[in-house]
Amino acid sequence: EVQLVQSGAEMKKPGESLRISCEGSGYRFTNYWIAWVRQMPEKGLEWMGRIDPSDSYTNYSPSLEGHVTISADKSTSTAYLQWSSLKASDSAMYYCARLQWSGELGVFYGMDVWGQGTTVTVSS
Amino acid sequence: DIVMTQSPDSLAVSLGERASINCKSSQTIFYSPKNKNYLAWYQQIPGQPPKLIIYWASTRESGVPDRFSGSGSGTDFTLTISTLRAEDVAVYYCQQYYTTPPTFGGGTKVEIK
Repeated sequence: EVQLVQSGAEMKKPGESLRISCEGSGYRFTNYWIAWVRQMPEKGLEWMGRIDPSDSYTNYSPSLEGHVTISADKSTSTAYLQWSSLKASDSAMYYCARLQWSGELGVFYGMDVWGQGTTVTVSS
Repeated sequence: DIVMTQSPDSLAVSLGERASINCKSSQTIFYSPKNKNYLAWYQQIPGQPPKLIIYWASTRESGVPDRFSGSGSGTDFTLTISTLRAEDVAVYYCQQYYTTPPTFGGGTKVEIK
């Protein structure tokens, strides 16, 4: 079964660091980019960035670049999202998702497999 | 960034009736050299992650029931559920992938009347 399994819920204080994970299984992890998507409480979806696990090349949303870091370890089929200094406004559900790529069209066209989500709560 | 605007914010439909959700992009997301609209639809059932149901504006993802259909081109798109079932209660999001960053609409909540 193709799946992405994320790490568990986290409760942190402002200024603390955090890394959450997303482990892929059931497929060749290096063949698909992984995206991270944020969903703030009772809000919609926001694309944060993506990574190519084969070489760790990343793209970030301009609004979040510099505040988060996306990485991957292909030896363990795991992608990561990390913060060096959390803010209360980082409180949200975070999803990883597998990106579908059209080689013919040269574009990502959908996120077909999603992790179950990781809840991050940042509060003093 | 391309802004995606969905309407309505919510709608209540009787079981077996049709539900239609609109999505409008702030600029065209139709790429004429490839004759493709760069739009996807996702379904998010409460307490679950989103699920891809439509891509290229009208192509159903594998396993998605054929009561779900997508239409439209350019800047105006529609997701239609032809006969609403109880398991379709969810929030539906459109997303453009024409430019980076990909952007989502605000979501439309579908409920049973």
